[in-house]
Formats: sequence, C-alpha cells, structure tokens
Amino acid sequence: GAVVSQHPSWVICKSGTSVKIECRSLDFQATTMFWYRQFPKQSLMLMATSNEGSKATYEQGVEKDKFLINHASLTLSTLTVTSAHPEDSSFYICSARADVYNSPLHFGNGTRLTVT
Amino acid sequence: QQPVQSPQAVILREGEDAVINCSSSKALYSVHWYRQKHGEAPVFLMILLKGGEQKGHDKISASFNEKKQQSSLYLTASQLSYSGTYFCGTEQSNAGNMLTFGGGTRLMVKP
Repeated sequence: GAVVSQHPSWVICKSGTSVKIECRSLDFQATTMFWYRQFPKQSLMLMATSNEGSKATYEQGVEKDKFLINHASLTLSTLTVTSAHPEDSSFYICSARADVYNSPLHFGNGTRLTVT
Repeated sequence: QQPVQSPQAVILREGEDAVINCSSSKALYSVHWYRQKHGEAPVFLMILLKGGEQKGHDKISASFNEKKQQSSLYLTASQLSYSGTYFCGTEQSNAGNMLTFGGGTRLMVKP
C-alpha cells in the first residue's frame, strides 16, 4: 500500500528556534500534500495545502510566515515552524494523495512538537 | 464546513455492534473513513463515492446516502483492536483536493 514517511516523530525545541518537518511519499507521486495540526482529543485541522512547484495555500488563520511550506519535488514536502513558541506545541501530521482520481488520503505518522 | 459525527463517544463490550454517523450540510462527492489510535496517525479504512455506495472489509462496512448527505460506518462483532477514534472526511468534488474532517467518534471496546 501507499506509504507516507514523516520525520522526525518527535522534537523538543527551545522557544525562538525553528523546526523542520519532512514528509515523503515513498511509493507514489503526489502533486499535492496536506499539512494538518491536531490538538489532544480534537479533530484534524487543515493548515495548508502544499503544491509541487508553486506556493502553498494556507487556511484562514494560519500564518504563512510562521509555517513555511516547501514542496520541492513530487515526493517531498517540508514544513518549517519558524521562531517556535510554546503555543505551537502540537501534533503535526502530513498527508498525501496519489495523483489518481478517487485515491485515499495517506497519512504520515505525525510529529509531536514540544516547544519549551 | 466540518461534517458532524455522532455519537461523540461510545463504549462497547467485545462482540457488540456499533454505528457511527457522519452528516454534512453540503452536497458531497465522497466520504472517507479513518481510524486513529492514540499517538498515531489516522489509518485509511475505506472511501465511498457518490452513487449510493456500500462497501465493507472483514466486519467493518459503510454506506453513503448522497441524497441525505450522510454516511454511516458499521462495526460488527467488535474486537478490542477496533478501539480508537474514528474520523470521517468529506470532499465536495473530485478535484482530488483536501478532505474536511468531522470531530471524531471515540470508540472503546472492553473485554
């Protein structure tokens, strides 16, 4: 089955530093990848849609200068949380769909970010 | 707009059945179902397309009533491994874009 690899699984960083999270589709190409954020016991909230070769589309209320997204190839998207603060602590999950109609969304294993 | 899931939580004994519902206020093209265990990423269960699909795998099945803009997930003879949070994700067109997820249904299966 389709596999999405996300690294790292967890990261603890100090306030003010930047953190990069990678998302790779291992056995399929994905023109579009999606970044979600999830708080404990809550649903998945879409942050942005990452488009290969073009700028990401951010959801309302998501600061694009804080959450930098780069989709450099058809198999790799990165999310960089810049100048992280404790309120950015969360579970970040990437997902991707193969460039095929009616394909399901496949999720990475998520990254637990803790900002101290 | 986020689809509405019900119930929000359910506790079952092993072997019992459960139904989880997902309703949207907008016309839907497809409904996706996922299960997420604590601390893990959601895992794809199945996708239902407009046209009144029903499908299943093992003892988990689902239906999609596009006229009512509703989908239901049926868990039959539940097993301990069914425990987790179930999310429905909906899309309004076949553009292959984002899914909008419901609030989730927490299912706990006890021995």
